[in-house]
Amino acid sequence: DSGVTQTPKHLITATGQRVTLRCSPRSGDLSVYWYQQSLDQGLQFLIQYYNGEERAKGNILERFSAQQFPDLHSELNLSSLELGDSALYFCASSAILVSTDTQYFGPGTRLTVL
Amino acid sequence: GNSVTQMEGPVTLSEEAFLTINCTYTATGYPSLFWYVQYPGEGLQLLLKATKADDKGSNKGFEATYRKETTSFHLEKGSVQVSDSAVYFCALISGGGADGLTFGKGTHLIIQP
Repeated sequence: DSGVTQTPKHLITATGQRVTLRCSPRSGDLSVYWYQQSLDQGLQFLIQYYNGEERAKGNILERFSAQQFPDLHSELNLSSLELGDSALYFCASSAILVSTDTQYFGPGTRLTVL
Repeated sequence: GNSVTQMEGPVTLSEEAFLTINCTYTATGYPSLFWYVQYPGEGLQLLLKATKADDKGSNKGFEATYRKETTSFHLEKGSVQVSDSAVYFCALISGGGADGLTFGKGTHLIIQP
């Protein structure tokens, strides 16, 4: 158990809909990362927040957005969903903002878009 | 930009065999290098890491050495077990911490008894 929690574990929805994925980082960690894992694209970095502020963006679509709240939990919002958005979405957290720090991954949310 | 290349497999070995999974990278600056493991139905777990050239990361019998001259971080284990069956990801991060991990495509390892 990494100490990172994600809800829900599974999500099934229809094209065009909007969903919210939630992540609670390890106690004391200030940095939260979101990743997408799909069969064709592999594991891709989406976005990073540190202590409530956006710090880095990866291959995140404009239809996707995220935020980190004062209690440090984070939410990833996916809208106008398409079939190709079906994937595993991972959240990770780390303590500080240095590249040597380890990122600890949650168990993931499996999103299925029908 | 950053990129990581690793053999995808599946790699099938017998129990107690020697394991090598190759990983090479392209990165700006001086990245930190990681190996993560993913067991079926689970998230990624850090296996080992190295943060500067010539560092050796090790854990649970696995080792990898940060080779700057060959831009490589190959994973090795002297004697694999059935319980090592999983997907292994090589990854790097650079940019002072304000960045995400760049992953290879993963190597599916199958150990047969």
